[in-house]
Amino acid sequence: GQNIDQPTEMTATEGAIVQINCTYQTSGFNGLFWYQQHAGEAPTFLSYNVLDGLEEKGRFSSFLSRSKGYSYLLLKELQMKDSASYLCAVTDSNYQLIWGAGTKLIIKP
Amino acid sequence: DAGVIQSPRHEVTEMGQEVTLRCKPISGHDYLFWYRQTMMRGLELLIYFNNNVPIDDSGMPEDRFSAKMPNASFSTLKIQPSEPRDSAVYFCASSLTSDYTGELFFGEGSRLTVL
Repeated sequence: GQNIDQPTEMTATEGAIVQINCTYQTSGFNGLFWYQQHAGEAPTFLSYNVLDGLEEKGRFSSFLSRSKGYSYLLLKELQMKDSASYLCAVTDSNYQLIWGAGTKLIIKP
Repeated sequence: DAGVIQSPRHEVTEMGQEVTLRCKPISGHDYLFWYRQTMMRGLELLIYFNNNVPIDDSGMPEDRFSAKMPNASFSTLKIQPSEPRDSAVYFCASSLTSDYTGELFFGEGSRLTVL
């Protein structure tokens, strides 16, 4: 079966760094997305990785290792507004998008 | 662009009633997706359209659910009759591509409560 695993919840401190991991087991791979979803709002696109390595975009970075079926989202200089759920999603060989359950990130002052 | 527009934002109805959710995709986006999100099951793809034609409706839970896209700027998701287990947030999303290598743009969602 196809599976995406993320921690259910994480807590971090304002100003700190947090890494949210995502492991996947899918039938093939055609890319991995990270989306941010604030409570009561729609998911919004953060990043897309299709090749191994680190993609940096401001305070957010996303890493991919296809051989390990692993990705992480790194958030630096955390702000209170970063409190949200972070969804990992993988496109499989049939170009179907498989969603993880999401990681709820709580930022404390 | 105003983004993907959904209505209503909130709907409370009684079991057995018909529910119609509406979506206007971003102009120029050829693909439209309907998702359902619950705490238990997360995000689930219900159906998606390409150029107004339904391509994959394997995620539609049962015959009580139907979706249409009569033109490039409008789609509906209908539930008839509704049941309490249909309570969820229903998202519409649009995209320039369907091969899931491009960004999905989500509407703000329609929160449905069936009593």
